[in-house]
Amino acid sequence: GAGVSQSPSNKVTEKGKDVELRCDPISGHTALYWYRQSLGQGLEFLIYFQGNSAPDKSGLPSDRFSAERTGGSVSTLTIQRTQQEDSAVYLCASSFRRKTGDNSPLHFGNGTRLTVT
Amino acid sequence: QQQVKQSPQSLIVQKGGISIINCAYENTAFDYFPWYQQFPGKGPALLIAIRPDVSEKKEGRFTISFNKSAKQFSLHIMDSQPGDSATYFCAASMNSGYSTLTFGKGTMLLVSP
Repeated sequence: GAGVSQSPSNKVTEKGKDVELRCDPISGHTALYWYRQSLGQGLEFLIYFQGNSAPDKSGLPSDRFSAERTGGSVSTLTIQRTQQEDSAVYLCASSFRRKTGDNSPLHFGNGTRLTVT
Repeated sequence: QQQVKQSPQSLIVQKGGISIINCAYENTAFDYFPWYQQFPGKGPALLIAIRPDVSEKKEGRFTISFNKSAKQFSLHIMDSQPGDSATYFCAASMNSGYSTLTFGKGTMLLVSP
């Protein structure tokens, strides 16, 4: 079956521009996560959506970052006024239900590589 | 504050050897410890996971050893193969998996032929 789909796969933008990154989770998955992967920094949690509940935004690094999830499915991560330190791979993941575990692992997309010049 | 510390940062192992990656945590509320495997250009994928009520879990050539008192857990890859070359992330979460996963910084494993 189809996995988590992210677009674009690569994005090069100029400093100061806004960017939108898209994530299509696996159909039926109620939980959706955004992580950022920087070189040597592992996977940094950004934001989490669960059903119709208010999102957990505790990982967003600044108010330039925002995300929304429409209709409980597709999600968009927006970075305003991009900075060079925003350059990273942005990974989206979904899981079947809120509780992650062996029966409900995170399924990651292949990420969007963002380069801010 | 780094809640899950992973070492080494990179590892080279000969084919057939044992690869060992270690993780340590501080938060005793963590109760679910998965390992994720990531190939270049791909997203991470769940490899194996353990809960603190057991000290070891084995799936094929992959074994997690868990030491609750030391707050450490490790991944052992027996008979390492070139196809195992990837980046490995340990992670932890609380509340029986209801909290978000906190990941280590990753270990880049290279298995030489």
